[in-house]
Amino acid sequence: QVQVVESGGGVVQPGRSLRLSCAASGYTFSSRAIHWVRQAPGKGLEWVAVVSPDGTDKYYADSVKGRFTISRDNSKNTVSLQLNSLRAEDTAVYYCGRDGEGGYHFDYCGQGTLVTVSS
Amino acid sequence: QSALTQPRSVSGSPGQSVTISCTGTSSDIGGYNYVSWYQQHPGKAPTLIISHVTQRPSGVPDRFSGSKSGNTASLTISGLQAEDEADYYCCSYAGRANYLFGAGTEVTVL
Repeated sequence: QVQVVESGGGVVQPGRSLRLSCAASGYTFSSRAIHWVRQAPGKGLEWVAVVSPDGTDKYYADSVKGRFTISRDNSKNTVSLQLNSLRAEDTAVYYCGRDGEGGYHFDYCGQGTLVTVSS
Repeated sequence: QSALTQPRSVSGSPGQSVTISCTGTSSDIGGYNYVSWYQQHPGKAPTLIISHVTQRPSGVPDRFSGSKSGNTASLTISGLQAEDEADYYCCSYAGRANYLFGAGTEVTVL
């Protein structure tokens, strides 16, 4: 069965960096894009970024463009999200999700990892 | 781009039907058949219940159905059950590899 596990969250000061990881298994990892979606405390979902199956195409929400970088290592079945220049408004649970059949949605995601940006 | 518009809450008694609307624009919902819906119970991760406007993944009960008309998508839960009490989010592809979510709708089973 498909499993997705996020890690790397924690408490970080404004302006600092953090690297999140996503490990997926139970399918051919290199066949599907991977999304990151976040949810601020008590708020709704927000799409953050997506990386294509081979890692060449990467797209970002305007709110994180230029600060966050998504990448993948198909040899290790992992995706990373590098978070730089963090702001208080980046505080959220970050979910990693597998792109679903036919694309344009995610069908499996993990339990998320909490990022708290605070001084 | 603004988030999609959903009602803040809807409610119904067990066995009734409820419909959640999700309104966007011709640049997102109206422009693509790429609307998905997610269910989220408190403290849990979101789970997919509808993709591509109407497609229901295996394992999702057939009381969940999706539709779209113009710039508005809808999720209908027929035969409401206690376990359906949760938050529901719509999501639409918005072009240029961008996605928009709605703010979420809380479904209460009376």
